[in-house]
Amino acid sequence: SQQGEEDPQALSIQEGENATMNCSYKTSINNLQWYRQNSGRGLVHLILIRSNEREKHSGRLRVTLDTSKKSSSLLITASRAADTASYFCATDSGTYKYIFGTGTRLKVLA
Amino acid sequence: GAVVSQHPSWVICKSGTSVKIECRSLDFQATTMFWYRQFPKQSLMLMATSNEGSKATYEQGVEKDKFLINHASLTLSTLTVTSAHPEDSSFYICSARDLQGPGTGELFFGEGSRLTVL
Repeated sequence: SQQGEEDPQALSIQEGENATMNCSYKTSINNLQWYRQNSGRGLVHLILIRSNEREKHSGRLRVTLDTSKKSSSLLITASRAADTASYFCATDSGTYKYIFGTGTRLKVLA
Repeated sequence: GAVVSQHPSWVICKSGTSVKIECRSLDFQATTMFWYRQFPKQSLMLMATSNEGSKATYEQGVEKDKFLINHASLTLSTLTVTSAHPEDSSFYICSARDLQGPGTGELFFGEGSRLTVL
């Protein structure tokens, strides 16, 4: 399978806690992106990190990239009930064909 | 950010009929669009790359005669599911890149089209 793997598959936390999800991929990449999907909806772009970057921040989001381990992590700090969604990583190897990971279903309990 | 519109958002059809799904880039030109398929609680699987003015490029295992893709203009790509069967029931999502905008290569996604074949 070309897909990357994400873990955990599902995560349930209390509001205010931090949520961390991980993504591993198989081939060399140009960049890696994280997307969010609410149930039954399209995807919303969260953050892009290039292969020569190690960490990026955007609001309550923090993304790290370790190209030697072919892995990335997404941290959502001070989670809110509205953060409940599925989160996917997607990698681009330079062909602009993004390959999506298996996704993490996050549930934030109020 | 750029807007991608997908229509219809949901469709129910009888087995054997064909269904067309449209994907439009509303405020930018997209020479390339991508079609994905998503089963419940699963990830997105890339079906094909739609290229304006030329034939689509299909991923391995995707039947090109089953899933017809036409990219007739810089703002519109269509996916036609021909002779649909219940196993074609799925959530279909399109995406496009705004190569002219100030963005960094992110994909903009449509809201998806849920197809149910009876």
